[in-house]
Amino acid sequence: DTGVSQNPRHKITKRGQNVTFRCDPISEHNRLYWYRQTLGQGPEFLTYFQNEAQLEKSRLLSDRFSAERPKGSFSTLEIQRTEQGDSAMYLCASSLGMNHGGYYNEQFFGPGTRLTVL
Amino acid sequence: DQQVKQNSPSLSVQEGRISILNCDYTNSMFDYFLWYKKYPAEGPTFLISISSIKDKNEDGRFTVFLNKSAKHLSLHIVPSQPGDSAVYFCAASGMAGANNLFFGTGTRLTVIP
Repeated sequence: DTGVSQNPRHKITKRGQNVTFRCDPISEHNRLYWYRQTLGQGPEFLTYFQNEAQLEKSRLLSDRFSAERPKGSFSTLEIQRTEQGDSAMYLCASSLGMNHGGYYNEQFFGPGTRLTVL
Repeated sequence: DQQVKQNSPSLSVQEGRISILNCDYTNSMFDYFLWYKKYPAEGPTFLISISSIKDKNEDGRFTVFLNKSAKHLSLHIVPSQPGDSAVYFCAASGMAGANNLFFGTGTRLTVIP
């Protein structure tokens, strides 16, 4: 399977605990995105990387959230001191980026990590 | 501030008929639009896209129409099949698709056999 993979698929934690999610993008994709989706809403952008550089962060990404992509391959998203409002589906997506023979390269999504904060 | 809107939360269509899903946007800087399909417990799956230099793009049973003056796009599925039953998200991007996608809230399509 050469798609985007995310681990774990489900995470249940108690309020105040730290959690970390991992995303493995499609291997030749140099852009990686994190989104959050809550019930009844579409995915909302959190942050994205071009290779290992984090180029944009949403205002939704509070200081309790941190994302890394240390070698430009997989990425981790950490949430510190989780709150009940952090309960959501966290989606990772990857794309080739701008300059690969096309006007735009579509983002391909992983299955997501569902976080429940008790 | 919802920049991409899908005003119909649900749509039911008979198998074999046309499904039309609608999407409106407010930001005139958007220049690339995509439709994604989502099944339960899975991530969104890319379906079809269109750039602002076109007004129509077709891929098999799926056609997307873009009306820039009305800031409106629609997805047509013909003929509809029961396997098309899913939640459909409209998404938009600016700067030639350079950065993040803005999603609508989705329309749940049910195709009745």
